[in-house]
Amino acid sequence: RKEVEQDPGPFNVPEGATVAFNCTYSNSASQSFFWYRQDCRKEPKLLMSVYSSGNEDGRFTAQLNRASQYISLLIRDSKLSDSATYLCVVNTVDSSYKLIFGSGTRLLVRP
Amino acid sequence: EADIYQTPRYLVIGTGKKITLECSQTMGHDKMYWYQQDPGMELHLIHYSYGVNSTEKGDLSSESTVSRIRTEHFPLTLESARPSHTSQYLCASSGGQGGLFFGSGTQLSVL
Repeated sequence: RKEVEQDPGPFNVPEGATVAFNCTYSNSASQSFFWYRQDCRKEPKLLMSVYSSGNEDGRFTAQLNRASQYISLLIRDSKLSDSATYLCVVNTVDSSYKLIFGSGTRLLVRP
Repeated sequence: EADIYQTPRYLVIGTGKKITLECSQTMGHDKMYWYQQDPGMELHLIHYSYGVNSTEKGDLSSESTVSRIRTEHFPLTLESARPSHTSQYLCASSGGQGGLFFGSGTQLSVL
C-alpha cells in the first residue's frame, strides 16, 4: 500500500462547479499535511497547508480527518485557471523529515 | 515568492558526458531535496540534505551524487550520463517543518 494515495482522476467539471478531492495516508503519526498544485511541465507550488481545525483560503478549503486518516481539498466556483494536478503531501515520522507526495489528482475545468 | 534557482533550465547532452545540475536558494533553509519526475508521473525523491555536509539517498535509487558544502548550494552530478537519465530534475528546500519550495526544474535529455 502506498503511504499517500489519491484518486488520479481526471475530474472533468464545468466552470462554476464545486469539486472535492480526497487523499488518504497510511501513517497515523504523520503531523504535517499540504496541498500542492502542479501545472503541466511546471514545478509544484504550495497551495495551502492543512491544519487540524481545517482552513480556508478564498475558494479553497482544506480539511483533515485524523481518525480516518484522510485530508480533503474543496474548490468552490471552479475557474478555467484551476485546471492542474493537485498533489497531496504528508510528512514522514521517522528520524528524518521528508515529505511524501501523492501521485496527484488531475482537474480539468471546461467552459 | 520562493527564492530557489536551478540552472540550466534545459540540457541536451550526449551519452557518457559528466553533468552537474545547479541549485541555489537564498532563504537560508537548512533542508534541501532533489526530485525526479517524468511527464505525467509522480515525483520521486532521489537525494536530500539536512544541512552542510549532510546528504542522504532518497526513496528512488539514482546513479547521481550530491554535495552540500554551503547551506545555499546543493548541486547534483551525473558522472556519465545515459539516455535512461532523461527526465525532469526538481530541486526544493524547506525551513523548519513547513512545506517545500521548488525551483523551476532542469529538463535533461541524454542522446
